[in-house]
Amino acid sequence: DQQVKQNSPSLSVQEGRISILNCDYTNSMFDYFLWYKKYPAEGPTFLISISSIKDKNEDGRFTVFLNKSAKHLSLHIVPSQPGDSAVYFCASTTGANNLFFGTGTRLTVIP
Amino acid sequence: DVKVTQSSRYLVKRTGEKVFLECVQDMDHENMFWYRQDPGLGLRLIYFSYDVKMKEKGDIPEGYSVSREKKERFSLILESASTNQTSMYLCASSRHYEQYFGPGTRLTVT
Repeated sequence: DQQVKQNSPSLSVQEGRISILNCDYTNSMFDYFLWYKKYPAEGPTFLISISSIKDKNEDGRFTVFLNKSAKHLSLHIVPSQPGDSAVYFCASTTGANNLFFGTGTRLTVIP
Repeated sequence: DVKVTQSSRYLVKRTGEKVFLECVQDMDHENMFWYRQDPGLGLRLIYFSYDVKMKEKGDIPEGYSVSREKKERFSLILESASTNQTSMYLCASSRHYEQYFGPGTRLTVT
C-alpha cells in the first residue's frame, strides 16, 4: 500500500512562472518530509525538507509547505527555470531511518 | 561532500547469472540502502542495513540478498538474474533522515 502518493505524473510550466508539485500521505506518524530531484541517469539529490512541527520551509527559490490536517505537502519553485526540469520525489519517515517515497512527478519547464 | 559510488553505471547480464552490485560511501554513515526505480513505481526499497553485518528486508526483497562486511560497503546480490530484474538500481547512505544517493546502475537482464 502506497503511503506516499504523487498523483500527478507530469507537470509543464513556462519559464519564470511558479511550479507547484503536490504530495499526499496516509500515515499520521510521519514526522519528517523531504523532496528529492532526479535527472535522467543520475541518482536523486536532496532538495529541501520540513519537520512536522513546521508548516513552511524556504530555501532560495524552493519552498515546501506542510498541511498536517490534510496530510498534504507541496513544493513551490519560483521562478521556474529550464534547469529545474527533472523528476521530483517526495519522501516521508516516521523517525526511523528508512524513507517512504512517492512515485515521482516529472516537471518540464518550457523556455 | 558525501560521496556514494556504485561499481558500474551500466550492466548487461544473462538470465540465470549471479550479479553483484557494489556500493561504497565515504562519510562513515551507519545506514545504507538499496532501491530499484521503475517507471511509474517510484523508488522501492529492496534491503537496508543499520550496521555492519546487519540487514533488514525492505518492500521487495524477493530474488535479492545483501552483504555488509564493512561499514562503508554494501553489496546487492541477484542470485539468479531474471528479466523482471531489469531496472535502475540505486544505493544510498544516511546518518539520519537525509539519504545520499549514488549515480545508479542500469541493469539489463537478457
